[in-house]
Amino acid sequence: TQLLEQSPQFLSIQEGENLTVYCNSSSVFSSLQWYRQEPGEGPVLLVTVVTGGEVKKLKRLTFQFGDARKDSSLHITAAQPGDTGLYLCAVSNRDDKIIFGKGTRLHILP
Amino acid sequence: NAGVTQTPKFRILKIGQSMTLQCAQDMNHNYMYWYRQDPGMGLKLIYYSVGAGITDKGEVPNGYNVSRSTTEDFPLRLELAAPSQTSVYFCASSPTGEVQPQHFGDGTRLSIL
Repeated sequence: TQLLEQSPQFLSIQEGENLTVYCNSSSVFSSLQWYRQEPGEGPVLLVTVVTGGEVKKLKRLTFQFGDARKDSSLHITAAQPGDTGLYLCAVSNRDDKIIFGKGTRLHILP
Repeated sequence: NAGVTQTPKFRILKIGQSMTLQCAQDMNHNYMYWYRQDPGMGLKLIYYSVGAGITDKGEVPNGYNVSRSTTEDFPLRLELAAPSQTSVYFCASSPTGEVQPQHFGDGTRLSIL
């Protein structure tokens, strides 16, 4: 079982601030996904990264896959209350399974 | 489009009872997954299936069973419910196992008392 660590566990910031959350492991992955989950709902896929060093942008969200494909970061610019939720990273290693981290619970204060 | 549909949404069981959590997808996806999510935790993989007639264990399979007789359905069975199985259960599907996005249902909240 791969050890996948997400940090911070909890983050509460004011609307308009910037933030970065992280997903780290000592293992190399073939792909990594970021999901957002709201209370009472299932996770919703935000992005998939597959190439070391890859950067993808989704409006105010910027995702980066580490050069060695062991870690990833999610940066949110000018956070809004609608960004509140549980952010989960998930990894795959070509074995038909996708393993999730414990998540970062983000709360944006209006 | 319905996507991934889970039933029931909520259920309370007594210790030792059994039940089946239903999951159906209408996207013709080959891969289907069952996860459980405990409070403050991420998702842990229980079982998965890469196609009809094929199932395999995930991280936490003990106490559960699955079957995959059709592409659309992937039920999860609890034979002898235990308090440790109190959790929120999510079913997901994807066209293939890697890279492809996973589509999740809205979950079944199960309490064992």
